[in-house]
Amino acid sequence: EIVLTQSPGTVSVSPGETATLSCRASQILNNDYLAWYQQRGGQAPRLLIYGASTRADDIADRFSGSGTGTDFTLTITGLEPEDFAMYYCQQYSDMLRTFGQGTKVEMK
Amino acid sequence: QLQLQESGPGLVKPSETLSLTCNVSGGSITSSHYYWGWIRQSPGKGLEWIGSLSLGGNSHYNPSLRSRVTMSLDTPKNQFSLRLSLVTAADTAVYYCVTDRTNYSWDRLYYFNFWGQGHLVTVSS
Repeated sequence: EIVLTQSPGTVSVSPGETATLSCRASQILNNDYLAWYQQRGGQAPRLLIYGASTRADDIADRFSGSGTGTDFTLTITGLEPEDFAMYYCQQYSDMLRTFGQGTKVEMK
Repeated sequence: QLQLQESGPGLVKPSETLSLTCNVSGGSITSSHYYWGWIRQSPGKGLEWIGSLSLGGNSHYNPSLRSRVTMSLDTPKNQFSLRLSLVTAADTAVYYCVTDRTNYSWDRLYYFNFWGQGHLVTVSS
């Protein structure tokens, strides 16, 4: 099973600033098969990024993904009030898809 | 745009079978190029993929749950279902039905692009 470790657990950011979230895989992800999701309080997760860097439909361009191999990053520039939420990474390099434990983006 | 909605009991007794249904609207199970899947979320285990099933009958399950999971599609009703047997308190979670993106050959699973709103199931006597 591929283990994904997200850091930090919580990041405190002011609106308008930039948040940088990390996801590290326990083994190399083939073809950079990594996705990112946003989960607002009480809601289902929403797909943000797939293929490490491709934004899903209707996702604002302030969300960007990067990385390759085992180290991946989600960057949110110019944080809006609705961006304060939990964020999860998910790998699909292995058929047993797994998620990271999440990073909370909270308002400073 | 596809919309998914879970339904079923919110309380299940230990050792019994959890049964959930996902209603699909805004598109047809028979014409959409997805597997149809289930994911659960609990405070202790986070997000956990349970399994996914294709219209053609191909299925993939989380090995940790495979022995207790049954999934099926009901094409006339445009629904799909999950049954999880012999539940314990550890199966208490919010259960989501999802679309599971696949490739042209239907032999690779990727990410989850549509999610239901989630359904809390508590296992307790």
